Amino acid sequence: QKEVEQNSGPLSVPEGAIASLNCTYSDRGSQSFFWYRQYSGKSPELIMFIYSNGDKEDGRFTAQLNKASQYVSLLIRDSQPSDSATYLCAVKGSWGNEKLTFGTGTRLTIIP
Amino acid sequence: GAVVSQHPSWVICKSGTSVKIECRSLDFQATTMFWYRQFPKQSLMLMATSNEGSKATYEQGVEKDKFLINHASLTLSTLTVTSAHPEDSSFYICSARGLAGGLAETQYFGPGTRLLVL
Repeated sequence: QKEVEQNSGPLSVPEGAIASLNCTYSDRGSQSFFWYRQYSGKSPELIMFIYSNGDKEDGRFTAQLNKASQYVSLLIRDSQPSDSATYLCAVKGSWGNEKLTFGTGTRLTIIP
Repeated sequence: GAVVSQHPSWVICKSGTSVKIECRSLDFQATTMFWYRQFPKQSLMLMATSNEGSKATYEQGVEKDKFLINHASLTLSTLTVTSAHPEDSSFYICSARGLAGGLAETQYFGPGTRLLVL
């Protein structure tokens, strides 16, 4: 079983709609959860992180965390063509473990 | 804030040569830097974790004598690929974690270095 799982996609969403990206993780002791965006040929850039159950909003982005179910999601409202990229979910383990474990990413395409 | 640079962005070298890649945190001090490698259409794979002033910790399967890491200051870490071979061709990305607050929680990535070994 992979430690961090994401649907590889591609996920196609019409412009202006809500894109929903999901991620599950296996380590119940995980403390922090991150969403990165990676454009083709570029390095990842941080969108946001979350460590408490519930929702966290930042502009058009909302991260949702449910530790009991071991999943974290990212919602992108009013999707724009510039949001087309691969979205990487990353999980930081127990306290003192600084490493991030990445999922394989979900490729998102916003259709104009 | 939280800008990380890498140099060079591209390097092409002959098989058997060594290549050094620099990673700098430009506007914050990084206690810990991480080195990743990414092959086409694959996710990031952590190679090693380096803390300022101490030896790097390598992930299983990563040869420490081939991938030399030096973290000499709170703003600079280097990765040297020794005796590079074509199978070392990849996208090498560093990240840095800051000292305190939000910067300590998050890894910020450099722009990456593409290595092509002929």
